Amino acid sequence: EAQVTQNPRYLITVTGKKLTVTCSQNMNHEYMSWYRQDPGLGLRQIYYSMNVEVTDKGDVPEGYKVSRKEKRNFPLILESPSPNQTSLYFCASSLGQGGGYTFGSGTRLTVV
Amino acid sequence: GESVGLHLPTLSVQEGDNSIINCAYSNSASDYFIWYKQESGKGPQFIIDIRSNMDKRQGQRVTVLLNKTVKHLSLQIAATQPGDSAVYFCAEKKHAGGTSYGKLTFGQGTILTVHP
Repeated sequence: EAQVTQNPRYLITVTGKKLTVTCSQNMNHEYMSWYRQDPGLGLRQIYYSMNVEVTDKGDVPEGYKVSRKEKRNFPLILESPSPNQTSLYFCASSLGQGGGYTFGSGTRLTVV
Repeated sequence: GESVGLHLPTLSVQEGDNSIINCAYSNSASDYFIWYKQESGKGPQFIIDIRSNMDKRQGQRVTVLLNKTVKHLSLQIAATQPGDSAVYFCAEKKHAGGTSYGKLTFGQGTILTVHP
């Protein structure tokens, strides 16, 4: 089944403890992206990648890092999480044509 | 379920009615306009898109209309079913520098509730 898989689905962590949210897609998509979703603010792009070793900042990149060492994986790294990074995170991938992005099921992160 | 928004516009319809969800967009340079559906606890799911040089596109039970003069996008759902209940987001996509990739910029969303 064609899909974007994120892990974990739920995560509670403490301020300052480094964490990684993994994202993997099995559709051979070149384009991958991370979004965060917050009440009243909608979905905002954090980082994106157009191909292996090609990444760039989205609208809200502060406090996040990404890497794209392989085409299928695009992990999101929070080096020192803070409470304002408590959010619902989505990974998405696309072939590029049209508007057809495939989203993962989301990761609910709580930083205390 | 997980809350995806506070104070979002809401639309309540009866099963079998047609639904129209509206969206105003801001970027005249967007290449594609897209509708996504998000059910509770799930990620956004692609419904239909329309290129900026078109004004209407039909899918299965859905029609998207684009009015560039007033920067307005609408999604029409025919014979709405309880399974259509979800939050609907419009999004704009602008291609990046000659490539076919682009960032999605999402609207705030509309909550659609379909009553049996």
